[in-house]
Amino acid sequence: QVQLVQSGAEVKRPGASVKVSCKVSGDTLTDLSIHWVRQAPGKGLEWMGGFDPEDNEKFYAQKFQGRVTMTEDTSTETAYMELASLRSEDTAFYYCASYKNSWYYFDYWGQGALVTVSS
Amino acid sequence: SSELTQDPAVSVALGQTVTITCRGDSLRTFYASWYQQKPGQAPILVLFGSSERPSGIPDRFSGSRSGNTASLSIAGAQAEDEADYYCHSRHHFGDHLVFAGGTKLTVL
Repeated sequence: QVQLVQSGAEVKRPGASVKVSCKVSGDTLTDLSIHWVRQAPGKGLEWMGGFDPEDNEKFYAQKFQGRVTMTEDTSTETAYMELASLRSEDTAFYYCASYKNSWYYFDYWGQGALVTVSS
Repeated sequence: SSELTQDPAVSVALGQTVTITCRGDSLRTFYASWYQQKPGQAPILVLFGSSERPSGIPDRFSGSRSGNTASLSIAGAQAEDEADYYCHSRHHFGDHLVFAGGTKLTVL
């Protein structure tokens, strides 16, 4: 059974960056396609980006391009999502999730990490 | 704006059947998947491949696809089915992924 365990809540100032981690157990990062989805308070799910195994590269939603970086450390089986130039609208829960490209679905989700951007 | 659309809210009487729909051009080509999210919890997968249920999901959940519309049905809705439901698929163009805005299901 795959488990994704995320880092804890963060409070950041506008303009700062945040880096959220997602530790994988029950499988290996090389066998998973990790994506990131966020959810602002009271709002819906928003896909941010992830790893495309067909192209062997990351791809990001246009909205976040230039501001988000997704990386992986296979030695610790941990994926990371870093979002820069934070603004109040970035206040949200950030989820990592593993994706099945063949059938287009997220099968396992992390518990979410709340990032609050406030001055 | 989202490429996939859902009705914002739907209600169903306890024990009755309810259908939640998701519309978008990408559904003509790509499978839909559905997620249930209860307050304070992460989403969980309830259907994939438009109609397949992961293990552990009750068989009262079913799905279908026709043209540009994917549907999630709950037969004999239970109180614990009250949640937000989100449809997901690939974007109509390119590699990007998209969620619909979600449907809040109330079980009366």
